[in-house]
Amino acid sequence: KAGVTQTPRYLIKTRGQQVTLSCSPISGHRSVSWYQQTPGQGLQFLFEYFSETQRNKGNFPGRFSGRQFSNSRSEMNVSTLELGDSALYLCASSLGGPGASVHFGPGTRLTVL
Amino acid sequence: DQQVKQNSPSLSVQEGRISILNCDYTNSMFDYFLWYKKYPAEGPTFLISISSIKDKNEDGRFTVFLNKSAKHLSLHIVPSQPGDSAVYFCAASRRVNAGGTSYGKLTFGQGTILTVHP
Repeated sequence: KAGVTQTPRYLIKTRGQQVTLSCSPISGHRSVSWYQQTPGQGLQFLFEYFSETQRNKGNFPGRFSGRQFSNSRSEMNVSTLELGDSALYLCASSLGGPGASVHFGPGTRLTVL
Repeated sequence: DQQVKQNSPSLSVQEGRISILNCDYTNSMFDYFLWYKKYPAEGPTFLISISSIKDKNEDGRFTVFLNKSAKHLSLHIVPSQPGDSAVYFCAASRRVNAGGTSYGKLTFGQGTILTVHP
């Protein structure tokens, strides 16, 4: 079974621009969540989607948004990019129920110049 | 407020010996715990998990122990191999759906760098 895939793997943007990252979960997984990893803050939860609905949201500004499609694929958008948004963005998927393990994709490395 | 803590930034072990990675949590509502292994610029790889109704779970060379009263869990790797060298993260979640609690939301520790020497 194919794992979680993320595109693109690397991205360079400038301040003020916006970016959209894409994630395809493991087949059959209905929950998709997004995380940001930075050297200073570690792995921080952004939000989770289940059956196209946002179930939970972390402590990030409104510039960070996401959505999930009917096929469970998810996109994350960051508007008005800031230098501090440079990070590894990780997508994870799970079956979405109690005790379900959460599997991560390889991540998208975003660099904001 | 860091709810999940890995107090040892690094651990060095000889090949063949046991590696013990520790993790403490403060939120008593956490009831599901996971361990991940991570290489730089890659996503975390799921290793093993444990529910709060158990105190031990074993999978091959990996065993996770949970002490709920102490709010402490540990990952044992026996025997350790050089290929185990990576950053190890523990993570916790709340599975009980109480007013929107998310099964997919994980709270991570800061990670422990494990180096296994040949």
